[in-house]
Amino acid sequence: KQEVTQIPAALSVPEGENLVLNCSFTDSAIYNLQWFRQDPGKGLTSLLLIQSSQREQTSGRLNASLDKSSGRSTLYIAASQPGDSATYLCAVNGNNDMRFGAGTRLTVKP
Amino acid sequence: DADVTQTPRNRITKTGKRIMLECSQTKGHDRMYWYRQDPGLGLRLIYYSFDVKDINKGEISDGYSVSRQAQAKFSLSLESAIPNQTALYFCATSGEGIGNEQFFGPGTRLTVL
Repeated sequence: KQEVTQIPAALSVPEGENLVLNCSFTDSAIYNLQWFRQDPGKGLTSLLLIQSSQREQTSGRLNASLDKSSGRSTLYIAASQPGDSATYLCAVNGNNDMRFGAGTRLTVKP
Repeated sequence: DADVTQTPRNRITKTGKRIMLECSQTKGHDRMYWYRQDPGLGLRLIYYSFDVKDINKGEISDGYSVSRQAQAKFSLSLESAIPNQTALYFCATSGEGIGNEQFFGPGTRLTVL
């Protein structure tokens, strides 16, 4: 059974700092990994999707990497802003059985 | 307009009542999913459907049933709600093929008293 872990559970940083969120998974037989953002009381917004054959994806200030063999992914956020404050979830897709981590709650202080 | 909509957005009900949560999508996707989210546990898959004739159980299907009325509509029912079904429920869709991106609705907050 695939297990997905996100560390840390919560993170607080000052505005402007670069930061890394971590996601680890136990079964490397995956099709893709997806990073989401969730604002309080809201749904999930897809940020980046990395296929199993890819090593990284970039969108604006966000960069996600995938190391399937070691069961790890990172989400790098450059020059963080207060508007980046949210919970970030990673999800691993193995044959349409998508497993989510519990998320990292990020607070960016002005 | 949102691609994936859920109704109701909030619902409070009592133990033993039957509840239906509805999901509609305009993305033209064949695949639809229902998840629940509990604090500290992330999202867990309840049921998924690859087309109108295909229904599959997910990780935590006990106590739930689903109906795929059309390509665009997928409803989740709690036949006899219990307090530990209090959670945030999400519907999602994806295109055909393994490994496609999933798109989520805004969620339904359900409270069972």
